[in-house]
Amino acid sequence: QVQVVESGGGVVQPGRSLRLSCAASGFTFSNYGIHWVRQAPGKGLEWVAVISYDGSNKYYADSVKGRFTISRDDSKNTVFLQMNSLRAEDTALYYCAKEAYSENYFDFWGQGTLVTVSS
Amino acid sequence: SYVLTQPPSVSVAPGKTARITCGGNNIGSKSVHWYQQKPGQAPVLVVYDDYDRPSGIPERFSGSKSGNTATLTISRVEAGDEADYYCQVWDSRSDHVVFGGGTKLTVL
Repeated sequence: QVQVVESGGGVVQPGRSLRLSCAASGFTFSNYGIHWVRQAPGKGLEWVAVISYDGSNKYYADSVKGRFTISRDDSKNTVFLQMNSLRAEDTALYYCAKEAYSENYFDFWGQGTLVTVSS
Repeated sequence: SYVLTQPPSVSVAPGKTARITCGGNNIGSKSVHWYQQKPGQAPVLVVYDDYDRPSGIPERFSGSKSGNTATLTISRVEAGDEADYYCQVWDSRSDHVVFGGGTKLTVL
C-alpha cells in the first residue's frame, strides 16, 4: 500500500538549518511529483514546495523561496526539504504529500514531522 | 497571488445538509479539490476535479461549481463528519498550490 513517511523534524534555533526527509513506498516513485505542505499550530494548511516527477521543476511558496530547497533521490525513494535561515514563523507540522498522477492534487499524505523554531 | 475564501465555520444538525463554499476569482477555469482533516490527523482527499470522489469516500460528499464559487455539499450529515475542510487549486500563473483558509464543520 502507498505510504509516505516524514522524518527529520525537531527543535532548532532561529537562523539555523534542518533537513526533512520523506520516504515513499508502495508506488513507482519516479512517476510522481511530491509536495511539502505545512500547518502551524492551530492554523490552516500552507503549501511549501513541489518537485516534479523527474526533478526538473521545483516551485516554492513566496514565504520560503530562497531559504528552502527541495530535492529527490529516486534511488532511495526519498524527497528532501533543506530548510535554512529558519524563523519562528516556520514552526509547523510539515506534511509530505504525493500528487495524483499528472495532477496537482494530493491523494496520499504522511502523518507529518514537527519543526519548532525557538531560542 | 491567488486567494481562495472559505467561511471560518459552518454548523449543521445531524441528518441535514452542510454546504461549504470556496470563492476565488475565475475559479470556473480551475479544478477545485477538497480535503477533510479531523483533529490530530492528516488531511484526506474527499473530492477532486470539482466533483469526483476518490474510492472509499461516501456518496454523501459531493462537489459543484458555479460562477466564482465552488461548493462542497455533505448530505445526511453524521457526527463523524465533524472536521476542518479545505479547498485547493493549482494557480498556473504562479505555479503555486493554493489552499483556502479552511472551514470548521460543527455537527450540532
